[in-house]
Amino acid sequence: QVQLVESGGGVVQPGGSLRLSCAASGFTFSNYGIHWVRQAPGKGLEWVAFIRNDENNKYYADSVKGRFTISRDSSKKTLYLQMNSLRAEDTAVYYCAKSRGEYGMDVWGQGTTVTVSS
Amino acid sequence: QTVVTQEPSFSVSPGGTVTLTCGLSSGSVSTSYYPSWYQQTPGQAPRTLIYSTSTRSSGVPDRFSGSILGNKAALTITGAQADDESDYYCVLYMGSGIWVFGGGTKLTVL
Repeated sequence: QVQLVESGGGVVQPGGSLRLSCAASGFTFSNYGIHWVRQAPGKGLEWVAFIRNDENNKYYADSVKGRFTISRDSSKKTLYLQMNSLRAEDTAVYYCAKSRGEYGMDVWGQGTTVTVSS
Repeated sequence: QTVVTQEPSFSVSPGGTVTLTCGLSSGSVSTSYYPSWYQQTPGQAPRTLIYSTSTRSSGVPDRFSGSILGNKAALTITGAQADDESDYYCVLYMGSGIWVFGGGTKLTVL
């Protein structure tokens, strides 16, 4: 079955960096775009970034543009989110989700927690 | 800055029908925004319910339905059950590879 498993979360100081991974299985990874979506403690869902299946088209929310970089390795069936210049407001559970094109998100991972704190 | 609006909270009686909406701070929601809906219970990942306005995701019971009502997207739950008590989120496609979530609706079944 389709499965997405996030990893790489942890505690990092403000200004620090972290790289999240999302391992995919159960579908042809190279055929689908993938989203990152986050949820701050007690808050709603926030779309963060999207990468198309061709790896060349990447899109970001204004809140992370210039600090976060989305990428993918089709040979490893893995999605990444490189997060730099982290701020306290980046503290959240980060989910990856398989894309259904313009129709939004399809299958979701279970999430990985990022805490930005000194 | 486009804001996607949802009711912060709603309540429904068991067996009742409830319609949650998803609007825009400026303008109307149409099928061109490809509205989709997600259900989330505390501590769990979101679950996809509806995509492209009204298409149910695999395994979603037919008591969940999506539509456009007036100038908003809508999620209707018919015959509400206790385990429908969850947070519900919509997301709209703004074009150019950008999606925006609504703030979510906390649904209580009582």
